Amino acid sequence: ETGVTQTPRHLVMGMTNKKSLKCEQHLGHNAMYWYKQSAKKPLELMFVYNFKEQTENNSVPSRFSPECPNSSHLFLHLHTLQPEDSALYLCASSQEGLGSNTEAFFGQGTRLTVV
Amino acid sequence: AQKITQTQPGMFVQEKEAVTLDCTYDTSDPSYGLFWYKQPSSGEMIFLIYQGSYDQQNATEGRYSLNFQKARKSANLVISASQLGDSAMYFCAMRANAGGTSYGKLTFGQGTILTVHP
Repeated sequence: ETGVTQTPRHLVMGMTNKKSLKCEQHLGHNAMYWYKQSAKKPLELMFVYNFKEQTENNSVPSRFSPECPNSSHLFLHLHTLQPEDSALYLCASSQEGLGSNTEAFFGQGTRLTVV
Repeated sequence: AQKITQTQPGMFVQEKEAVTLDCTYDTSDPSYGLFWYKQPSSGEMIFLIYQGSYDQQNATEGRYSLNFQKARKSANLVISASQLGDSAMYFCAMRANAGGTSYGKLTFGQGTILTVHP
């Protein structure tokens, strides 16, 4: 299995729908992240989870709701999204610790289109 | 706050030639890490190479090398002997270590689209 797996790969949803993105990592890492990649913009960090605890929320609108039930799984629950939320949503994981500088491993992303 | 700047929206290179992708950064943290990622059209971000701020030597990984010039705050990626499969978006990224504890947050640049011509 690949290190970080995201499902679904593609998602089209209406503005009144509720959907969830799923991320699973098989690397034994203790930190997981959601990033948003919009067209012609740098990747934006949305949420950070360390040891299942949310440590960062970068002013993300409440229509995005993360959930991290354990250190291997991360969800992003979506509701009443706007068309401008259409983007590639990338999940990543890494092993965090004192002085560590290991790279983050990314999943293949979920291409979300809000109609 | 950290900032990464990639000034080349697009680059073209002939197959088997070398190419340099530019990256400059800004941070007030004395300890930080610099990363390069490749993103093919399929979407996944593939880690290429890492350089620590205290590393004395430039990092190398196969055909990839990082030209790290700390005083100029630049971390350019050099790809030697380009291949058609190198065509992709390339991102420079940085994470800072504050107080000795690493932060998992990566700050990304805008990216450079590399096209390799046969």
